[in-house]
Amino acid sequence: EAEVAQSPRYKITEKSQAVAFWCDPISGHATLYWYRQILGQGPELLVQFQDESVVDDSQLPKDRFSAERLKGVDSTLKIQPAELGDSAMYLCASSPDWPEAFFGQGTRLTVV
Amino acid sequence: KNEVEQSPQNLTAQEGEFITINCSYSVGISALHWLQQHPGGGIVSLFMLSSGKKKHGRLIATINIQEKHSSLHITASHPRDSAVYICAVHLIQGAQKLVFGQGTRLTINP
Repeated sequence: EAEVAQSPRYKITEKSQAVAFWCDPISGHATLYWYRQILGQGPELLVQFQDESVVDDSQLPKDRFSAERLKGVDSTLKIQPAELGDSAMYLCASSPDWPEAFFGQGTRLTVV
Repeated sequence: KNEVEQSPQNLTAQEGEFITINCSYSVGISALHWLQQHPGGGIVSLFMLSSGKKKHGRLIATINIQEKHSSLHITASHPRDSAVYICAVHLIQGAQKLVFGQGTRLTINP
């Protein structure tokens, strides 16, 4: 069964370092989302892509976060420099058509 | 006030009990998801509904659009049902995105 792939599953990094997460959506899904989930809370949208274009990045802290989906397929989310408050689960989801959504396993980031 | 509120935040029950998790929302929606998140972190979509009721195995989801309320029920609960259950809504207005509740942590003891 097709699934949204994310890597790494777990990442520990020191504050001020750069860190990157990767997401490969289900083939054919035009829409891709990155969410951040702080422990004990629901996910919050960071960025939404439609193909290679950013549709919504209003909640993305652009001074340190960047996201790209160059060929409209897989996507990378980068944090530079990482801060202690960035420790969270980063979830990727893709959608073939509104309002379906399929989620990946997530990347759990710990900043020390 | 959050646009999506879940209750209870934490729920502990004995194996076999009937479980109900509630979700209330304050905005216009086109659909509502019930999601399951296990300790490993990955999220699985259980139901997507815009009206009425859906059933899958021991899980039942209902939605009342007029009252802006949805419930997730688990019959004959089992320890493997222990997880965080998240309600998420698709807004009618604005960008096509999900707004999530804070989740309900369910623990089923044997």
